[in-house]
Amino acid sequence: DAGVIQSPRHEVTEMGQEVTLRCKPISGHDYLFWYRQTMMRGLELLIYFNNNVPIDDSGMPEDRFSAKMPNASFSTLKIQPSEPRDSAVYFCASSLAFTGPYTGELFFGEGSRLTVL
Amino acid sequence: SQKIEQNSEALNIQEGKTATLTCNYTNYSPAYLQWYRQDPGRGPVFLLLIRENEKEKRKERLKVTFDTTLKQSLFHITASQPADSATYLCAPLGSNYQLIWGAGTKLIIKP
Repeated sequence: DAGVIQSPRHEVTEMGQEVTLRCKPISGHDYLFWYRQTMMRGLELLIYFNNNVPIDDSGMPEDRFSAKMPNASFSTLKIQPSEPRDSAVYFCASSLAFTGPYTGELFFGEGSRLTVL
Repeated sequence: SQKIEQNSEALNIQEGKTATLTCNYTNYSPAYLQWYRQDPGRGPVFLLLIRENEKEKRKERLKVTFDTTLKQSLFHITASQPADSATYLCAPLGSNYQLIWGAGTKLIIKP
């Protein structure tokens, strides 16, 4: 398996523009997570899905952020309009279940580094 | 609130020695705790999981301990190598069944 695939790897945009980040999870994984990582705040969970259904989006900072998972093999995180404070590395991760006998280990993509000017 | 603390300063270790990283958690009791490694410009990579009823877990040169009384996990790398240099993240399972992430400790192994 190719692992979790994210695109783009790097995005530079101007304030006010729409940004769409994409993720293809590992086939067969039930859970998909979107994280944001900055030096100041570390890894923050934005939202996660179980079987394509959003379960908890309490980490999404504002209404400018939205995420979708139209099918088991694709998810998007959209920021509209973008602001300089959104500059960060955005990671997508997938996993199997995390209760019972499962370890719930997360498999991360390589991240999308977003710079908003 | 649930809080995770890791050594905020970088840890410098001589090659061949044992590196020990600390993870402390407060205000809850996680069912398990995971450790990840993150290299610059890459996503975190899972290393080990230890459950609350396990005191120690080993994998090759890695060893993790879990002291539920002290609310602490220790991560050891024996016979450290320069290739072990990375940031190591501690992630206990939170009460909402999601991982809570520490800020990470940067480990530097000097030849």
